[in-house]
Amino acid sequence: EAQVTQNPRYLITVTGKKLTVTCSQNMNHEYMSWYRQDPGLGLRQIYYSMNVEVTDKGDVPEGYKVSRKEKRNFPLILESPSPNQTSLYFCASRPGQPLYGYTFGSGTRLTVV
Amino acid sequence: GENVEQHPSTLSVQEGDSAVIKCTYSDSASNYFPWYKQELGKGPQLIIDIRSNVGEKKDQRIAVTLNKTAKHFSLHITETQPEDSAVYFCAAFNTNAGKSTFGDGTTLTVKP
Repeated sequence: EAQVTQNPRYLITVTGKKLTVTCSQNMNHEYMSWYRQDPGLGLRQIYYSMNVEVTDKGDVPEGYKVSRKEKRNFPLILESPSPNQTSLYFCASRPGQPLYGYTFGSGTRLTVV
Repeated sequence: GENVEQHPSTLSVQEGDSAVIKCTYSDSASNYFPWYKQELGKGPQLIIDIRSNVGEKKDQRIAVTLNKTAKHFSLHITETQPEDSAVYFCAAFNTNAGKSTFGDGTTLTVKP
């Protein structure tokens, strides 16, 4: 089944403790992206990648890191999480061509206390 | 950067009625406009899209229109059903730059 898989689905952590949210897609998509979703603010793009070793900032990159060493994986790293990073996170992927929208994962609900 | 405004934020209709959600965007470089449906506890799911060289697209009960000059695009759902109840997001993509901007979402409730 074609899908984007994120782990974990739920995570509670403490301020300052480094964490990684994994994301993997099995559709051979070139583009991958991370979004955060907060009530009333829709989906905001954190980082995106147009191919292996190519990443760029979205609208809200502060406090996050990403890497794209392999085409299928795009982990999101929070080096020193803070409470304002408590949110629902989505990973997504799409092909470079033809022009098509993102396929989203099921989400990771992160709580930083 | 791109700014996408979506209206209304909530919409309640009677089953069988039509629903219309409107979005405006600011960046003329945006060239792709997808619409997503998000059900509770799930990720957004693409339901229809339109490219900048097309004015209208229809898929069964769902249609999308795009006015590039005015930078407006809209989602139309006809003959609504209770299972259409969800949060709907519009988005504007600049596919040449890889960036995407989403609207804040519309919560649609279809009353039986």
